[in-house]
Amino acid sequence: QSALTQPASVSGSPGQSITISCTGTSNDIGSYDLVSWYQQHPGKAPKLIIYEVSKRPSGVSNRFSGSKSGNTASLTISGLQAEDEADYYCCSYAGHSPYVFATETKVTVL
Amino acid sequence: EVQLVQSGAEVKKPGESLRISCQGSGYTFSKYYIAWVRQMPGRGLEWVGIIYPDDSTITYSQSFQGQVTISADKSRGTAYLEWSSLKASDTAIYYCAREYCDSISCSSHWLDPWGQGTLVTVSS
Repeated sequence: QSALTQPASVSGSPGQSITISCTGTSNDIGSYDLVSWYQQHPGKAPKLIIYEVSKRPSGVSNRFSGSKSGNTASLTISGLQAEDEADYYCCSYAGHSPYVFATETKVTVL
Repeated sequence: EVQLVQSGAEVKKPGESLRISCQGSGYTFSKYYIAWVRQMPGRGLEWVGIIYPDDSTITYSQSFQGQVTISADKSRGTAYLEWSSLKASDTAIYYCAREYCDSISCSSHWLDPWGQGTLVTVSS
């Protein structure tokens, strides 16, 4: 099962908005609205920040938003803050596999 | 507070066996799925498998089927990930995570909270 594809790095200045894309196939993202996003700070465990494509868990800032179109999911961070500097992963249900993660995107706040 | 606490770091030699653990607290352990996720050094996340402790229903990723064994002991509120013969390529941090519940329902498609991770080092 191939990993989903994200850009290796994305950067932005404080206050700006950035978008991380997550490209899959018709076997995963394209077939199911079962996409989630995780944030991982260095040396820490991942944390769920988006589930079911666009829903935010309780306590997660509304600066994080998710969407999907075709085989590609996206995570947008608006009003970028220093604390948003972390690695981000998308994950999709993929049927018999059954879950596949993307390679990480490192977000840098300039 | 829902919490998952994992066992400590391990250093093993190739060919040795190992079992690491993940103890849940703050909820009814047997009624929620627990998943295992691997993170190799400097690498991304990989889904290993998932167990429903109440009846020990287990699903493995195709990549990990036959390579590891997932189990759970309801009486101890603990899930396990086990290797019978470790390889150097098993060196990684292994996380356990519980299915996430929002105000309406729970789903094993999403994972939160996560344990702190267990570093497994396999080296001769």
